[in-house]
Amino acid sequence: NAGVTQTPKFQVLKTGQSMTLQCAQDMNHEYMSWYRQDPGMGLRLIHYSVGAGITDQGEVPNGYNVSRSTTEDFPLRLLSAAPSQTSVYFCASSSSRPPYRQYFGPGTRLTVT
Amino acid sequence: AQSVSQHNHHVILSEAASLELGCNYSYGGTVNLFWYVQYPGQHLQLLLKYFSGDPLVKGIKGFEAEFIKSKFSFNLRKPSVQWSDTAEYVCAVNPYNNNDMRFGAGTRLTVKP
Repeated sequence: NAGVTQTPKFQVLKTGQSMTLQCAQDMNHEYMSWYRQDPGMGLRLIHYSVGAGITDQGEVPNGYNVSRSTTEDFPLRLLSAAPSQTSVYFCASSSSRPPYRQYFGPGTRLTVT
Repeated sequence: AQSVSQHNHHVILSEAASLELGCNYSYGGTVNLFWYVQYPGQHLQLLLKYFSGDPLVKGIKGFEAEFIKSKFSFNLRKPSVQWSDTAEYVCAVNPYNNNDMRFGAGTRLTVKP
C-alpha cells in the first residue's frame, strides 16, 4: 500500500493564480480531510469528506474548494491564491470506525508571492 | 467547542535528559487520544494512541503517554531523549464515534548532542 500520497511537494504561486493539490489514498478509507499547518497554530481543518460525493467545510474553508468523485481521490483547489494561503498542506484519511486513526500524506509546501 | 492545548511551544533539552510534554483537552465525553511526531523534512507519523484500557500507553522509540481522565490530560514522556528525537510533537483528540479530530499547536523539541 502506498498509503496517502500528495502532489506536488512544493509549489510557488503568484497572487491570483489557481491550482489543485492532489491527494489519493489506497486504503479504501471513507473519511478524507485537508489541513493546513501554520507555525503556532497547529493543524487546522479546511474541508473534509465522509465518502464519495459528500464534502463539508472545516474551520478555515474560505478560498478553497474540494470534490470527492471517487473514494480514492480528494483534490483541494485554490481558486485565487493569496499570500495568506502560504502554508504547508496535509491530506489525511481515516477509517470511519474507532479509533479513527488518521494517516497523513507527506505534505505540500505552498508559497504565494 | 473542544480544544487541545499544548503548553510548551519549544523545548530544548540535552541528550539523556527526561522529557515530558503536556497536552490538555477540553472535551468532556469519551475521547480517543493521539500523539503524532513530525521529524524534520518528513510527514506526520503516529507515535502512540489511547482509546481504551490501560491509561499508560507505550509507543515507538521509548515514548509513553499517560491518560489522566480527571485532569483531561495526555502527557507525553520519555525517560532519556536522544538527538534523533528532535522533531515537532502534536497532540490530537477526537470524540468517540466521530472523525472530528482536533490538534494542538504542536511542541518543537530540540535535543542538543
